[in-house]
Amino acid sequence: QKEVEQNSGPLSVPEGAIASLNCTYSDRGSQSFFWYRQYSGKSPELIMFIYSNGDKEDGRFTAQLNKASQYVSLLIRDSQPSDSATYLCAVTDRGSTLGRLYFGRGTQLTVWP
Amino acid sequence: DGGITQSPKYLFRKEGQNVTLSCEQNLNHDAMYWYRQDPGQGLRLIYYSQIVNDFQKGDIAEGYSVSREKKESFPLTVTSAQKNPTAFYLCASRTSGGALEQFFGPGTRLTVL
Repeated sequence: QKEVEQNSGPLSVPEGAIASLNCTYSDRGSQSFFWYRQYSGKSPELIMFIYSNGDKEDGRFTAQLNKASQYVSLLIRDSQPSDSATYLCAVTDRGSTLGRLYFGRGTQLTVWP
Repeated sequence: DGGITQSPKYLFRKEGQNVTLSCEQNLNHDAMYWYRQDPGQGLRLIYYSQIVNDFQKGDIAEGYSVSREKKESFPLTVTSAQKNPTAFYLCASRTSGGALEQFFGPGTRLTVL
């Protein structure tokens, strides 16, 4: 079974700070990596995906991937109270044509005013 | 509007009953997925389908059944054999190309009375 590990939190940061969310995965052959945001009682919403080593930026969000360390992270700059949610990390199956995603349990983020 | 719809939003089942959860998408996506989410848990894959008339078991298929007679539709039946069906059920779909990102419907919350 492929493992995807996230700190469950809760992670609490003040408004305007940088929130750092981390994820490690067990399958070295994993190819694509996804971050989803899930508000309480709602379905997950895709924020970003990354498949090459390095950083990928989209607005206030930056995804960082290090395949050698089997580590992917999400940075949220200028955090806002509306960012308060659970963030799910997901990775693809080695045979990526199958499209299976393996999810971590999520990190709960609270941004306080 | 293109999207994924799930119905009903809330469903109550008596023990011993089978219930069917609906999932429809008009995104012209080939692959569709059913996940289950329990409080404080990540998403666990129940069934997935890459093409019409074909589907595969996920990690927790026991007590569930699916069909894929149309590209747009992937209904999930929760049978009486599922011993602990109370959960949040999420349907997702994705295209065949790109980064294989999955997009989720709004979910169905099933409660066994």
